[in-house]
Amino acid sequence: DTAVSQTPKYLVTQMGNDKSIKCEQNLGHDTMYWYKQDSKKFLKIMFSYNNKELIINETVPNRFSPKSPDKAHLNLHINSLELGDSAVYFCASSPITSGTGVTEAFFGQGTRLTVV
Amino acid sequence: AQSVTQLDSHVSVSEGTPVLLRCNYSSSYSPSLFWYVQHPNKGLQLLLKYTSAATLVKGINGFEAEFKKSETSFHLTKPSAHMSDAAEYFCVVSESYNTDKLIFGTGTRLQVFP
Repeated sequence: DTAVSQTPKYLVTQMGNDKSIKCEQNLGHDTMYWYKQDSKKFLKIMFSYNNKELIINETVPNRFSPKSPDKAHLNLHINSLELGDSAVYFCASSPITSGTGVTEAFFGQGTRLTVV
Repeated sequence: AQSVTQLDSHVSVSEGTPVLLRCNYSSSYSPSLFWYVQHPNKGLQLLLKYTSAATLVKGINGFEAEFKKSETSFHLTKPSAHMSDAAEYFCVVSESYNTDKLIFGTGTRLQVFP
């Protein structure tokens, strides 16, 4: 059983398109995240949600819109894709509630997005 | 604000020799610290974590790390490297209190030669 699963694993698309990445966790965690890993392997948080409520939005362009239909899902929708959006996007979940600090995060396998 | 610095971007060792990956942190509070490993084209796997219990933390695959407050360090070690240890390693600090996010270091690529 995959704990945190993302789809698709690879995504190649043209500039200007709109695309979505889906994430689901079956760990019963309250908090979910999106992280972006750039070409130099640097990882930075984009968003976090706690029980479907947006907690963190780290100066991400508003072309990126997370959506959490329930606490087990956190999808990432990206409008008007740009070349600079090419990266690996990781979904993660954590067994903590907001404001108490992260104990650890469980990561998905990543989605490699290539914008051409 | 919390931050981590990984002192080496690349480390190369021979199989069977010790591994040392260095990490220093900066934190206003008592931090939670982690080491994650990323194998090529794979996701991130937690190796070990420090959350203010024992200062010497044992993780998976024979790795361990020691929290040294006086040196603000959390170096990762392994007595004997294996070929399968070749990967990217990230030192991570948890930004606690009013936010819930992990701050990643820039990573150390470990190469293991036969």
